[in-house]
Amino acid sequence: NAGVMQNPRHLVRRRGQEARLRCSPMKGHSHVYWYRQLPEEGLKFMVYLQKENIIDESGMPKERFSAEFPKEGPSILRIQQVVRGDSAAYFCASSPQAYEQYFGPGTRLTVT
Amino acid sequence: AQTVTQSQPEMSVQEAETVTLSCTYDTSENNYYLFWYKQPPSRQMILVIRQEAYKQQNATENRFSVNFQKAAKSFSLKISDSQLGDTAMYFCAFMKTSGATNKLIFGTGTLLAVQP
Repeated sequence: NAGVMQNPRHLVRRRGQEARLRCSPMKGHSHVYWYRQLPEEGLKFMVYLQKENIIDESGMPKERFSAEFPKEGPSILRIQQVVRGDSAAYFCASSPQAYEQYFGPGTRLTVT
Repeated sequence: AQTVTQSQPEMSVQEAETVTLSCTYDTSENNYYLFWYKQPPSRQMILVIRQEAYKQQNATENRFSVNFQKAAKSFSLKISDSQLGDTAMYFCAFMKTSGATNKLIFGTGTLLAVQP
């Protein structure tokens, strides 16, 4: 059973561009969480999705950030008009049920 | 709101020795889970150990064990027979079981260096 896949592993964007981060959960997992890790900090919750539904987006910045988990395909975290402060590692975790979360390797976003 | 505090930014231990990492948390919930995650230089988040709050018995996974003190809201991690591969950032995390979201709340981490 393959683990949680994230791509790309590294992404460089210029200020103002869009960043799309993909997460393929483990087979059979229908719950996806996105977390952000700023340099020298712990992970912070951003959004929780189930298939085709956003359940909790209380950790998402109000503007420029969006997330989806379609019926088919990976979950996408989208950041529009990126700024330097968006530079961070973005982790996705998937879960088959309540408490077990399995993390992907993360996407390191660098905004130049 | 729940908070997790790790008061030791960095620690060092000699290979084969034992080290304890501290974690305290604040919550009004009665049922929850606590976790320790390891993040080596590869940045992959690896689950080390999990504790259910309703269980009095401390969780153990091979060389890793916890000291869970519910009344004191303390959840420390003990690593026995430290190995060079244990060098990593260690994060303590809290998850409440009530509500629709089982999000993890992380502490700021402790950087552990195992010296040869």
